[in-house]
Amino acid sequence: AQKVTQAQTEISVVEKEDVTLDCVYETRDTTYYLFWYKQPPSGELVFLIRRNSFDEQNEISGRYSWNFQKSTSSFNFTITASQVVDSAVYFCALSGLSQGGKLIFGQGTELSVKP
Amino acid sequence: DARVTQTPRHKVTEMGQEVTMRCQPILGHNTVFWYRQTMMQGLELLAYFRNRAPLDDSGMPKDRFSAEMPDATLATLKIQPSEPRDSAVYFCASGPRGAGTDTQYFGPGTRLTVL
Repeated sequence: AQKVTQAQTEISVVEKEDVTLDCVYETRDTTYYLFWYKQPPSGELVFLIRRNSFDEQNEISGRYSWNFQKSTSSFNFTITASQVVDSAVYFCALSGLSQGGKLIFGQGTELSVKP
Repeated sequence: DARVTQTPRHKVTEMGQEVTMRCQPILGHNTVFWYRQTMMQGLELLAYFRNRAPLDDSGMPKDRFSAEMPDATLATLKIQPSEPRDSAVYFCASGPRGAGTDTQYFGPGTRLTVL
């Protein structure tokens, strides 16, 4: 079975704080891909990152960074020096090779950044 | 800036009416996905196509939902007859290579309300 768990339903921080969004996944595939999407209040789903199961290097893009650890089946997302514009729902998703491309989404973490 | 487009953006209809949602994938993308987002179920896959052929529609209630790709630039999702429980946001997404585990780029969604 494939499953993505985002245990944090809601997080509230004050601007400039660092925040980490957790994502834990389950899959039997040896080849799989992990994604993060952002859904701002306007409702669209914005692609942030895609990572394959053979690449455990951490990724940094500006204030965003991702920590992929196969040993703990986790793909956590950190926002450094958060800003009000980061307020959104963030979804972690999994696509396993055996599933032909279906994205399995977590339930999402609603991040609220207050000024 | 290539984007997935969806029409209509909002639809309010009465129970029993037919609803048709349209999606134009990013030019050159050959995989198209339909997802539904509700508060209770989160984001769930309804159906997907590769090179216009339906690959999986197991997530779709077959008695009332149908999905088609009449050509490479148009995907449709139809509900007939609609029911209040179909109220949700319906997203279309497309992927570039048809490899199944491609990054999926989402449209803005159609917010459907069935009264």
